[in-house]
Amino acid sequence: ETGVTQTPRHLVMGMTNKKSLKCEQHLGHNAMYWYKQSAKKPLELMFVYSLEERVENNSVPSRFSPECPNSSHLFLHLHTLQPEDSALYLCASSQVLGGRQPQHFGDGTRLSIL
Amino acid sequence: AQTVTQSQPEMSVQEAETVTLSCTYDTSESDYYLFWYKQPPSRQMILVIRQEAYKQQNATENRFSVNFQKAAKSFSLKISDSQLGDAAMYFCAYRNPAGGTSYGKLTFGQGTILTVHP
Repeated sequence: ETGVTQTPRHLVMGMTNKKSLKCEQHLGHNAMYWYKQSAKKPLELMFVYSLEERVENNSVPSRFSPECPNSSHLFLHLHTLQPEDSALYLCASSQVLGGRQPQHFGDGTRLSIL
Repeated sequence: AQTVTQSQPEMSVQEAETVTLSCTYDTSESDYYLFWYKQPPSRQMILVIRQEAYKQQNATENRFSVNFQKAAKSFSLKISDSQLGDAAMYFCAYRNPAGGTSYGKLTFGQGTILTVHP
């Protein structure tokens, strides 16, 4: 397997549920990212990790909790979400922070909150 | 803060024709990177082309080329000989180099939906 893999592809959950999104990269990259993509809005950066340390928490509500156990894996733990949290959640990785190397994206998890 | 603006929510082109997607950005930095990403429907976002701000020469990748106007802070994407597979959402993105207090955040525009007509 190569690239950035996200699971699940689709997730439907109630507002009181707890679930987790998983991202795995097989590129040997050191930086990983979570983005939220809503209709008619630019991608919103949520979290940035570099070498398993959180670099940025972009004013994200505490109902989203990231975890980066190693440089290949990134999780987004979800609890008590709101309907406005329904969106496509994209994971990305890059060789290092910044630089000319692009970010590589996963297919995303389509999240629907009932 | 850096901002990226794509003023064309939707564009369309006939197969084999040429189309140009617009992007402008705002920054006080002199050194940065610019990218165009393509996101086909229900598929992965992939890099189309990138440009380093210190390079005067416009980047080219096969049928894709950019018109980088640094003074005007403009970074348009030209797609030549358009193909049906080019239909997608296109995002323009800006990034500072990492260093100091900057971690090289990638800032995206709102996206342009490109439709290719056979």
